[in-house]
Amino acid sequence: EIVLTQSPGTLSLSPGERATLSCRASQSVSSSYLAWYQQKPGQAPRLLISGASTRATGIPDRFSGSASGTDFTLTISRLEPEDFAVYYCQQYGSSPYTFGQGTKLEIK
Amino acid sequence: QVQLQESGPGLVKPSGTLSLTCAVSGASISSTTYWWSWVRQPPGKGLEWIGEIYHGGNTNYNPSLKSRVTISVDKSKNHFSLRLTSVTAADTAVYYCARADYGDYGKLDYWGQGTLVTVSS
Repeated sequence: EIVLTQSPGTLSLSPGERATLSCRASQSVSSSYLAWYQQKPGQAPRLLISGASTRATGIPDRFSGSASGTDFTLTISRLEPEDFAVYYCQQYGSSPYTFGQGTKLEIK
Repeated sequence: QVQLQESGPGLVKPSGTLSLTCAVSGASISSTTYWWSWVRQPPGKGLEWIGEIYHGGNTNYNPSLKSRVTISVDKSKNHFSLRLTSVTAADTAVYYCARADYGDYGKLDYWGQGTLVTVSS
């Protein structure tokens, strides 16, 4: 089973700042099979990024994703108030498909 | 507009069976591009992938739950179902159904709102 480790666990930033969230895989994961989801309290996860770097429909371009080996990064260029939430990475290239434990992005 | 909606009992007794259904609208469950998935989230914790099914009946389960899980599909009703046996308090969670788009490697692009299932006597 591929373990995804997200860091940091909690990230405290202010609106307008840049956020960098990391996801490290315990084994090789093809970039095609890595997604990022955003989850707000009481809501279902929402797909942000698939294929490590492709924004889902309707996702603002301040969200971007990148990959380097087994390291994946989600960057939010300028935080808006609605961006404060929990973010999960997921790999769907090797069953069982697994999620990272999440990074909580909170307002500083 | 694709929508998924979970339904089922919100309370299940220990050692009992959890049964949920996911109704799909705006998309055909018989599409060759999609698999149909279940994901759960214990209160205050992260996401766990349970398994998925193709309209032809092929399934793929998480080994950690495989001995207790059955996912089935009803094409005539355009819905799919989850059955989890021998439940314990550890199975208390919000259960989500989702669509896996294998036209794009399997991303989970649409999700239901989730339903909380509590295991308690």
